[in-house]
Amino acid sequence: GEDVEQSLFLSVREGDSSVINCTYTDSSSTYLYWYKQEPGAGLQLLTYIFSNMDMKQDQRLTVLLNKKDKHLSLRIADTQTGDSAIYFCAEREDNTDKLIFGTGTRLQVFP
Amino acid sequence: GAGVSQSPSNKVTEKGKDVELRCDPISGHTALYWYRQSLGQGLEFLIYFQGNSAPDKSGLPSDRFSAERTGGSVSTLTIQRTQQEDSAVYLCASSLLGGVQFFGPGTRLTVL
Repeated sequence: GEDVEQSLFLSVREGDSSVINCTYTDSSSTYLYWYKQEPGAGLQLLTYIFSNMDMKQDQRLTVLLNKKDKHLSLRIADTQTGDSAIYFCAEREDNTDKLIFGTGTRLQVFP
Repeated sequence: GAGVSQSPSNKVTEKGKDVELRCDPISGHTALYWYRQSLGQGLEFLIYFQGNSAPDKSGLPSDRFSAERTGGSVSTLTIQRTQQEDSAVYLCASSLLGGVQFFGPGTRLTVL
């Protein structure tokens, strides 16, 4: 079955870049997503990328997709304390539309 | 409404009781999903409604779980005879057909 993996924890200094990595297994996924979850809150969509793209940039966020290696990354430039949260990558099952989530990466930003 | 809403935000119940969780999707969204977030299992899919099609129930963990969607809009997730392992945050999402899923704030269920 599908499996999405992420590292559990990342700590960065304010102002530095953060890179959160994700690997997935379903090569037929057409969309891959990044969601952010702050404490006690639901999931907020950050960005997504279509599988025929290798890169997508949206303000401070850059998503890179390596389809050959089934590797997805999210880069946050100039990381701020407000970026501290759990970040989930997710792949969408092509024939069902349900999302398969990674374990989530807890990003901690320190001054 | 502006986004997906869920109620209640918190629910504490005793083992063996039934609970109902409600989801109001974004107006016009034809697809509605339920997911569960728990410490041991992470985020897992439960059930999916799309228009008038039969729901995809493949993620429901047991026959104590059921869901319905009335009039193609509001959905209710029912858990019968709750167990302690049902304690989790239940998240609802909605989307246009094949579109991005937008999530509600979730219902935190605690079974004592």
